[in-house]
Amino acid sequence: NAGVTQTPKFQVLKTGQSMTLQCAQDMNHNSMYWYRQDPGMGLRLIYYSASEGTTDKGEVPNGYNVSRLNKREFSLRLESAAPSQTSVYFCASKTFLGTYEQYFGPGTRLTVT
Amino acid sequence: KNEVEQSPQNLTAQEGEFITINCSYSVGISALHWLQQHPGGGIVSLFMLSSGKKKHGRLIATINIQEKHSSLHITASHPRDSAVYICAVDRETSGSRLTFGEGTQLTVNP
Repeated sequence: NAGVTQTPKFQVLKTGQSMTLQCAQDMNHNSMYWYRQDPGMGLRLIYYSASEGTTDKGEVPNGYNVSRLNKREFSLRLESAAPSQTSVYFCASKTFLGTYEQYFGPGTRLTVT
Repeated sequence: KNEVEQSPQNLTAQEGEFITINCSYSVGISALHWLQQHPGGGIVSLFMLSSGKKKHGRLIATINIQEKHSSLHITASHPRDSAVYICAVDRETSGSRLTFGEGTQLTVNP
């Protein structure tokens, strides 16, 4: 099993450009998450999907949209990138919404100039 | 004040030393997680616990629910233990969304 995969690994955007970060898991998990990690701050939740067909906002959703394409895939879209969105983005999944172990992808390092 | 606080922020040790990383939280939780982030960036789950103590190899995690405190111990530390260790809590009222501490950077020198 590949676990949780993310593409791309690195990306540089200019202010105002758009892009989609892709995430897929092959563990048959129901719940999926997008986080951002910034220096001096803990991981912060952007959006999550408790199950296929549902999405909800996390702590820092502004400037992002998500799509739960199917049970395996959960994408994060930046419609008009801003320098404040320079960060490392992690996708994660777990079996169900509830107290279960989370599995993380390798991360995408995004720089917006 | 953050809801999840870790100490110390940075820790340097010599190979073989016993290491303790602390985590305090101020909210009701259903579980606490310890995660390890490797220098390359990947994050792996080490422990998930809601009471007592768990052990895996040289790693031991404890939690005191009454005091809202958890510790991660590493016995006989090794340079390969060098990583960022992150404490996260499953809040009781959050629909099980994790709240993370800022992490502790551990460096173990040979």
